[in-house]
This record gives sequence, C-alpha cells and structure tokens, in this order.
Amino acid sequence: ETGVTQSPTHLIKTRGQQVTLRCSSQSGHNTVSWYQQALGQGPQFIFQYYREEENGRGNFPPRFSGLQFPNYSSELNVNALELDDSALYLCASSITGGAVGYTFGSGTRLTVV
Amino acid sequence: KQEVTQIPAALSVPEGENLVLNCSFTDSAIYNLQWFRQDPGKGLTSLLLIQSSQREQTSGRLNASLDKSSGRSTLYIAASQPGDSATYLCAVRFHNNAGNMLTFGGGTRLMVKP
Repeated sequence: ETGVTQSPTHLIKTRGQQVTLRCSSQSGHNTVSWYQQALGQGPQFIFQYYREEENGRGNFPPRFSGLQFPNYSSELNVNALELDDSALYLCASSITGGAVGYTFGSGTRLTVV
Repeated sequence: KQEVTQIPAALSVPEGENLVLNCSFTDSAIYNLQWFRQDPGKGLTSLLLIQSSQREQTSGRLNASLDKSSGRSTLYIAASQPGDSATYLCAVRFHNNAGNMLTFGGGTRLMVKP
C-alpha cells in the first residue's frame, strides 16, 4: 500500500508567477485535501476534492484552484504568486463516508521571491 | 467559530519522563480527532485517531484521550526518548464544516534531552 506522494519537494518562484503542485493519494482513498502551513503554525485548510469536484473551501482567494483526476490524484494551482504564499503545502487523502483519518504527504516547500 | 488550541506551545523534558500534551476545542460536535507528529520541514505522520464515540486510543507508548463534553484531548507519552523530539499537532474534524476539513491547533514543539 503506497502512501500519499507529492511533487516537487521544493520549489522557488518569482512573485507574479504561477505554480502547479501535484499529489497522488493513498491507494483506496477517494478524497484529496490541500493545506497550507506557514512556518511555526498549524496547517490551514485550502480546499477538498471528491469525485473530481471541489467539496469545500477554506478562506483562500480564487487564485488558489485545484483539480482531481479520475485516478484520485490532484493538482493545486496558484496564480499571481505573492510573497506570503511562501509555505509548506500539504496534501492529504482520505475516504469520504469512511471512518478513517487523513494520510498526509511529505509536502512541497514553496518559496516566493 | 470552531477553534483548536494546544498548550504548551513548547516543552523541554529530560529523557525518560512521562509527559502530557493538551488540546482543547471550542465545539463538542466533532466527528473525530487526530494526533499527528511533524519533524522539522517534513509532512505529518498520523499517530492516533479517536472517533467521537471513543474515549481513548493507544499505540505503543502513546495514549490519547477524548472528552467531548469538556472539549479536551490529551496525548500521553510514556518514557520519553530523544527520538520523540518533534512538533505534535492536534486536528479536529468538526461536524457541519466545509468539506470535512481538519482544524488544527498551533502545535506543541517537544524536545527530549538525553
């Protein structure tokens, strides 16, 4: 059984650019969530995808968008990057309707300069 | 507003001590609560998951309790070791929130000294 894998592990972008982060969910999981974690803080919920549709969204602007694919993998896209977008981006998978917890990936460290 | 708070923010103990990390939450209508471990710059490793109908869960030297009525959970670590040094995060899945999201506390940064 494979866990959650994220790519890339590290990324440096310039303010104003666009970035795409990728996530493969754990085998058997059908739901993917994305979180942003600033240094020294707990993760903050960005959004969740289930059946290829957004299934809930946190307090993040529309320039944060995502996709879920038929194989349950997912992408997080951020447009018009700002310096404050620098953070660790975590992907988590789970099973909607199941009494299981969330499995997290190792994250992508994004630095915006 | 549904919030999760962890106290203390940081803790330093000598090796071998038993210790308790605290987590409090503002709404007793929860689906479950999950404790995670995070090493510096890394992702989250799930330690224990407690469903709302459960009172506690145990895994090795770890024991987590849940008291919904008081809005509290504790993570008990027995016979601490230097390898336990990490940040411990408490996350609550509240009922009726967006997308079954997890609400995290700010974490407790634990250092176990040899």
